[in-house]
Amino acid sequence: DAGVTQSPTHLIKTRGQQVTLRCSPKSGHDTVSWYQQALGQGPQFIFQYYEEEERQRGNFPDRFSGHQFPNYSSELNVNALLLGDSALYLCASHRGNSYEQYFGPGTRLTVT
Amino acid sequence: AQTVTQSQPEMSVQEAETVTLSCTYDTSESDYYLFWYKQPPSRQMILVIRQEAYKQQNATENRFSVNFQKAAKSFSLKISDSQLGDAAMYFCAYRSTNSGNTPLVFGKGTRLSVIA
Repeated sequence: DAGVTQSPTHLIKTRGQQVTLRCSPKSGHDTVSWYQQALGQGPQFIFQYYEEEERQRGNFPDRFSGHQFPNYSSELNVNALLLGDSALYLCASHRGNSYEQYFGPGTRLTVT
Repeated sequence: AQTVTQSQPEMSVQEAETVTLSCTYDTSESDYYLFWYKQPPSRQMILVIRQEAYKQQNATENRFSVNFQKAAKSFSLKISDSQLGDAAMYFCAYRSTNSGNTPLVFGKGTRLSVIA
């Protein structure tokens, strides 16, 4: 049983560009959450998707958007990249009201 | 809004010894979950242990145990018989139970080194 997978592993972008990160949840999970982890910090909640809709959102600008597909996989899009968007982006999935979120290995985004 | 504070940026422990990582949190809620996650250099967050706030008994998972002090809003992690593989970043996290799917709120983490 595959766990949460994310692609790509690493990504380098230039300031002002746009980026799309992808996440496949653990089998049987229907809810996907995205977190941003800056260097030396704990993860910060970006948003959560359930039934293809954004259910909750953290304190992130509209440049951060997402999508969930019918197979529960998800994308995180960031427009107009800033140097400060450089971070590890973590995807986590869970099923229903389960307490435990399973995390993927993350995508390391570097903005130059 | 809930906050989680880890006051020890770095800790070290000798192999086979015991170490305690500290965590405090702030909330006005009465029911919630608390977690300790481990993040090794591979970057993948791994759940170490969880505690439901309504349970008075401290959670234990093999060599890992917690000291949950609800009134003091304190949630420390004790690692016994430390092993080299325990070296990692450890994050304390809070999750409300008020709604079905609230996000995790993390502390800044403690980097644990294990000395052979």
